Amino acid sequence: GAVVSQHPSWVICKSGTSVKIECRSLDFQATTMFWYRQFPKQSLMLMATSNEGSKATYEQGVEKDKFLINHASLTLSTLTVTSAHPEDSSFYICSASPSGSRGNTQYFGPGTRLTVL
Amino acid sequence: AQSVTQLDSQVPVFEEAPVELRCNYSSSVSVYLFWYVQYPNQGLQLLLKYLSGSTLVKGINGFEAEFNKSQTSFHLRKPSVHISDTAEYFCAVSGTAGGTSYGKLTFGQGTILTVHP
Repeated sequence: GAVVSQHPSWVICKSGTSVKIECRSLDFQATTMFWYRQFPKQSLMLMATSNEGSKATYEQGVEKDKFLINHASLTLSTLTVTSAHPEDSSFYICSASPSGSRGNTQYFGPGTRLTVL
Repeated sequence: AQSVTQLDSQVPVFEEAPVELRCNYSSSVSVYLFWYVQYPNQGLQLLLKYLSGSTLVKGINGFEAEFNKSQTSFHLRKPSVHISDTAEYFCAVSGTAGGTSYGKLTFGQGTILTVHP
């Protein structure tokens, strides 16, 4: 149980285009999902917290107009990187917290590697 | 605000030897503590967590960790490692329920465990 999927697993795009990444909780409902960014050989940095049916909460320094988050259902959150540039190339990982979970335990997706040319 | 320090960036060990991965945290509020493992190009898998109760926590794959409040530590241990344990390990904290940092994970820098035959 507690499986989280991400799609796509990797994507290459041209500078200036937009890319959408999906995060799904497959066998549980998640009121809250989180989006992280991980640069090579570095730790994960929380970008934003996504709550179903409401606006995402972005961490300081994260551009909300560039990283659009939508959490339209209890099993799906999407991250859209708008007008992507090479510096946006990174490993994006989502996590989902089962509704009512104790300690707000998070289950992570396998990640999406974005390369912007 | 919270911070996590993993004292060793790399830990090489021989197969069947014991291992300890060190983690210290700083927080002005009560915390939940987690250890995650990340295999190359994959997301994170939860090894174990401390929410409350017994300070010795047992997780998957034979790992355990002990919460030491006075030393603000949460070191991860395994009595006998296998080649398959080679991966990167992340310690993380979040605030407890009711606080503003509830559910928001702050990660350490990661420790790469390499098990040699």
